[in-house]
Amino acid sequence: QVQLVQSGAEVKKPGASVKVSCKASGYTFTGYYFHWVRQAPGQGLEWMGWIDPNLGGTRVAQKFQGRVTLTRATSINTVYMELSGLRSDDSAVYFCARDIDSVVVTALGHWGQGTLITVTS
Amino acid sequence: DIQMTQSPTSLSASVGDRVTIACRANQTVSTFLNWYQQKSGKAPRLLISEVSTLQNGVPSRFSGSASGSDFSLIITGLQLDDFATYFCQQSYGPPWTFGQGTRVEIK
Repeated sequence: QVQLVQSGAEVKKPGASVKVSCKASGYTFTGYYFHWVRQAPGQGLEWMGWIDPNLGGTRVAQKFQGRVTLTRATSINTVYMELSGLRSDDSAVYFCARDIDSVVVTALGHWGQGTLITVTS
Repeated sequence: DIQMTQSPTSLSASVGDRVTIACRANQTVSTFLNWYQQKSGKAPRLLISEVSTLQNGVPSRFSGSASGSDFSLIITGLQLDDFATYFCQQSYGPPWTFGQGTRVEIK
């Protein structure tokens, strides 16, 4: 079965960077896009971007361009989201999610457990 | 960015009720409209993709429909397990955007 396991919670200072990992298992890693979505406490869901784990191509929401880097390591079936220049309003749970379609990005069918990032001085 | 507006933001209902959650896009999203359920402290769960395609394992009491840029999630015969927050989401074009959520509470 498809499983996505994310790295653990982190506490960071303003201005720092954080890198969250998401390890996939149970299917062919390079077959489906990954997405990153975040959710601030008590708030809604915010899509950050996607990565093609096969070719490494990415698409990042304009809001996060210049601060978010999406990468993958195919040898260990893992994708990463790095967020730099952290601010207090970046405090949120960050989710990785795998698309349901192997041909075209469609919907977020499988989710990691979420990683809480807290930004505080 | 495409703005998704859900209504209502919350509702109270009883077990067995028929519940309808609405979602409107401020521009076309074609049929690229998905619905998710989220319970407190958990990751969202995809219920329906592309307006009306029920995902594996999702009970048949959930259904989705569309009329132009207006979309609906219908729960026919609400169960205790359905009390949660529901989000619509468009995947027509990046950035993907979500509705603000509809919280379904027990009456």
